[in-house]
Amino acid sequence: SQQGEEDPQALSIQEGENATMNCSYKTSINNLQWYRQNSGRGLVHLILIRSNEREKHSGRLRVTLDTSKKSSSLLITASRAADTASYFCATDPLSGANSKLTFGKGITLSVRP
Amino acid sequence: EAGVAQSPRYKIIEKRQSVAFWCNPISGHATLYWYQQILGQGPKLLIQFQNNGVVDDSQLPKDRFSAERLKGVDSTLKIQPAKLEDSAVYLCASSLATGRLWETQYFGPGTRLLVL
Repeated sequence: SQQGEEDPQALSIQEGENATMNCSYKTSINNLQWYRQNSGRGLVHLILIRSNEREKHSGRLRVTLDTSKKSSSLLITASRAADTASYFCATDPLSGANSKLTFGKGITLSVRP
Repeated sequence: EAGVAQSPRYKIIEKRQSVAFWCNPISGHATLYWYQQILGQGPKLLIQFQNNGVVDDSQLPKDRFSAERLKGVDSTLKIQPAKLEDSAVYLCASSLATGRLWETQYFGPGTRLLVL
């Protein structure tokens, strides 16, 4: 089963606006990662936030993590047309000898020029 | 540095046929993953190798799927016989050392399989 659930499923914004995407998960985690997937391409790792961190920045990306609510958000500031892609959150569960990275279904972001 | 290479990029087969995918990870990466991504979903891990040993294949349908990583470098994933529900993108990824989940995984472009 897929642990992370992203929200919304699709998002369309104007270039220059900010895009906020949310991810909720069910079980306790070691860390949460966000990936981007351009059409017809593989996934690219964007950022990882550990369970003891609340906020992390990388360039125009800002990720927050609220372990009490089991949720994370990814903010892309000053969006560009090149940000058009699908975004996935992936969770590293806390328990289990064979824990594996579990991806959500993804959010489709369209940035209009 | 060169990224993860996969071939073929596209494959169309009929059900009950067999198919094989090839992956060449980033040089020096000890851990290799195969994921299945069905349209509209996120990737699902099929199998993880650490060098040439299998770390996790709990989600691999072993009655029809097989994978190997001879010599701890390249890997092949085979489906025999294929079913309609195997239509998906098959992604290969690699990571540097221990395969711990906090390591960055680098993904290849994927092989898009259509089973008719």
